[in-house]
Amino acid sequence: AQSVTQPDIHITVSEGASLELRCNYSYGATPYLFWYVQSPGQGLQLLLKYFSGDTLVQGIKGFEAEFKRSQSSFNLRKPSVHWSDAAEYFCAVGARGTYKYIFGTGTRLKVLA
Amino acid sequence: KAGVTQTPRYLIKTRGQQVTLSCSPISGHRSVSWYQQTPGQGLQFLFEYFSETQRNKGNFPGRFSGRQFSNSRSEMNVSTLELGDSALYLCASRPSTGVAYEQYFGPGTRLTVT
Repeated sequence: AQSVTQPDIHITVSEGASLELRCNYSYGATPYLFWYVQSPGQGLQLLLKYFSGDTLVQGIKGFEAEFKRSQSSFNLRKPSVHWSDAAEYFCAVGARGTYKYIFGTGTRLKVLA
Repeated sequence: KAGVTQTPRYLIKTRGQQVTLSCSPISGHRSVSWYQQTPGQGLQFLFEYFSETQRNKGNFPGRFSGRQFSNSRSEMNVSTLELGDSALYLCASRPSTGVAYEQYFGPGTRLTVT
């Protein structure tokens, strides 16, 4: 069965520090992979996506993610975090052939001034 | 282009009542999916509609139903509300061609069941 694991429930970083949020997935083939961000009381905003090709993908707001097939991972990174990045981040897998997303449980990011 | 809109944004209902939530997709998008978000269960897929037909369904009881209209607007209905139905209900739309797996989410409807 497909699943997504985000092992870190909470992460706290200082403003200006680098960030890496982990995401591991379980899927029989190469999935479609997504990272979304959710601010309090808001919907989900798509940060970036991976369908195929270059395994390092660039997204909005200075985020990037790297698909590593051997590790079944799709970690999200940002070289320098801004206070406005404080939010909850969700990794999702989209199974090829359906349009249903499986979401991870989310990682809540806190940014210290 | 306007984003996905959901109405109402907030709703308070009593246990046993029923509720209808509405979603208008991005113009030109023909697919609408619904998700339930709760602190305990996270984000869970409810169902997806495309051209007025339900194409996928998640593991939710029959009290949860939906429909889609010819203009692609979708409604979700929950009958006989239970306290556990309190959640943020998110609607997402996606294009029919091109990056058809890329979903765009609305702001959600916060349902509170008392």
